Amino acid sequence: EDKVVQSPLSLVVHEGDTVTLNCSYEVTNFRSLLWYKQEKKAPTFLFMLTSSGIEKKSGRLSSILDKKELFSILNITATQTGDSAVYLCAVEENTGNQFYFGTGTSLTVIP
Amino acid sequence: NAGVTQTPKFQVLKTGQSMTLQCAQDMNHNSMYWYRQDPGMGLRLIYYSASEGTTDKGEVPNGYNVSRLNKREFSLRLESAAPSQTSVYFCASSVRNTGELFFGEGSRLTVL
Repeated sequence: EDKVVQSPLSLVVHEGDTVTLNCSYEVTNFRSLLWYKQEKKAPTFLFMLTSSGIEKKSGRLSSILDKKELFSILNITATQTGDSAVYLCAVEENTGNQFYFGTGTSLTVIP
Repeated sequence: NAGVTQTPKFQVLKTGQSMTLQCAQDMNHNSMYWYRQDPGMGLRLIYYSASEGTTDKGEVPNGYNVSRLNKREFSLRLESAAPSQTSVYFCASSVRNTGELFFGEGSRLTVL
């Protein structure tokens, strides 16, 4: 059965810390891996990764994919209270019709 | 820029009642999805529609029906609501094969 596993489930850090969130997957027909940030309401898109070893970067956030070991990491440097959210990892299968989500990592950044 | 619009945002039902969640997108996307989100369970796919006129079951379709009314609209119907269907429901859409999902704001449903 296809699945996506995220770790840790939750994390509490102080402002300025650097965090690494993990996502491992077992999806038969992999097309892409996506990261989303969810605050109070709808998830918002962060990154889409399709190729191994190529880092995607947006400000203090970056992500990389390892298709051989079947995992991805999301790094956040110099965390701020506004980074507090649930971070979701999803894997898109090859047909483009199914996205499998992990349970998310809840990040709390303390001032 | 409306994006994906869901209604209603909140609903309380009694066991056995029926209701329909409405979803519309104005981005001309082919694919539309209904997810439910429960604590500790992540987002689970209920049904999806790859294009107008087609619908397919996802991971947790039991107790639900869907209609892809046209390219813009995709509704989710609970024929006989059960307490296990208490959840937050998200509609999403995407351009096929691009990977990015656009989500609605969510509908919080409580079944008593």
